[in-house]
Amino acid sequence: EAQVTQNPRYLITVTGKKLTVTCSQNMNHEYMSWYRQDPGLGLRQIYYSMNVEVTDKGDVPEGYKVSRKEKRNFPLILESPSPNQTSLYFCASRDPGQGPYEQYFGPGTRLTVT
Amino acid sequence: AQSVTQLGSHVSVSEGALVLLRCNYSSSVPPYLFWYVQYPNQGLQLLLKYTSAATLVKGINGFEAEFKKSETSFHLTKPSAHMSDAAEYFCAVSDDGGFKTIFGAGTRLFVKA
Repeated sequence: EAQVTQNPRYLITVTGKKLTVTCSQNMNHEYMSWYRQDPGLGLRQIYYSMNVEVTDKGDVPEGYKVSRKEKRNFPLILESPSPNQTSLYFCASRDPGQGPYEQYFGPGTRLTVT
Repeated sequence: AQSVTQLGSHVSVSEGALVLLRCNYSSSVPPYLFWYVQYPNQGLQLLLKYTSAATLVKGINGFEAEFKKSETSFHLTKPSAHMSDAAEYFCAVSDDGGFKTIFGAGTRLFVKA
């Protein structure tokens, strides 16, 4: 089954404790992206990657890092989480290249930083 | 810069009534436009997309949207609401490379029996 998986699905952590949210896709997509969803703000793009070792900032990259060492994986790293990073996070992937390609979303990771 | 405005954070309709969810966008280039739906505790899934091939776009579950360049709108409609349509709906616009996507704030649709 074609899918995007995220782990963990739920995470409660404390301020300053580094964490990683993993994202993996089995569709051989070159493009992957991370979003955060907050009430009243919709989804905002954090980082995206057009291919292995190629990443770029979205609209809200501050406080986040990403890496793309293999095509299928695109982890999101919070080096020093803060309460304002409490949010629902989604990973997505799509076919490569330019164009109106559909994004396939993971099930989401609900992060709470206390 | 691109932006998306969805009018109405909540819309309530009766079962069988017309669904109209509004979306206006701004873009300096011909945009790629999308509608996604999010059911509770799930990720987003594509309803439909505008690709410039036709201004009236048909999607899944009986939804359609019309691209109106003069009004910079891409409103989503469905002739007859069903209880299973209750969800949150997001309008989105991509740049011409399709790499950066801007989402609207979302509209939650309630369907009354």
